[in-house]
Amino acid sequence: EVQLVESGGGLVQPGGSLRLSCAASGFTFSVNYMYWVRQAPGKGLEWVSCINADSNIIYYADSVKGRFTISRDNARSSLYLQMNSLRAEDTALYYCAKGSGGWQMEKWGQGTLVTVSS
Amino acid sequence: SYVLTQPPSVSVAPGQTATITCGGNNIGRKSVHWYQQKTGQAPVLVVYDDSDRPSGIPERFSGSKSGNTATLTISRVEAGDEADYFCQVWDSSSAHQVFGGGTKLTVL
Repeated sequence: EVQLVESGGGLVQPGGSLRLSCAASGFTFSVNYMYWVRQAPGKGLEWVSCINADSNIIYYADSVKGRFTISRDNARSSLYLQMNSLRAEDTALYYCAKGSGGWQMEKWGQGTLVTVSS
Repeated sequence: SYVLTQPPSVSVAPGQTATITCGGNNIGRKSVHWYQQKTGQAPVLVVYDDSDRPSGIPERFSGSKSGNTATLTISRVEAGDEADYFCQVWDSSSAHQVFGGGTKLTVL
């Protein structure tokens, strides 16, 4: 069974940093695109970033480019999101999602909550 | 940037058919994916590549596309279908994933 478990969320002050992790199991992690998607409280889904299997194709949403860095460790079946210069508007539930042959996100974790507040 | 437009809400009685639309410029040239998100839960993929269903998704869920609009159709709606539904495409020109604003389906 495919499982994605996010961790690393919490309360951080504006300007601070946080590193999110996503532990994957139940599939061959090293062959899939992986995604981070966030959802602010009461709002819709917002794509954050994605990374291909070999980590040589990486894309970011304009709202996080230059502040967030996505990475992965295929040996550990883990996905990461380093978040720097955090702002109040980054407050959201952050989901890790598994890609497939196309551009859909076929499986999602339960999310980890990031709150940016003083 | 590419924009996907969904109606904020759709209401339907049990047993009837719900249609949720997703509009976007030249959406016919893109593969459209649909997600269901129930309250307090993670999104679930219900339709991909315009009209394909992942395993485990009931046949009552179907997708289609015509002109600049993609449509998610839920036949014989049940109370358990009450959720938010989001469409999504990959915009190759900007190299961005794009989500629609979401549609709240209410089962009366």
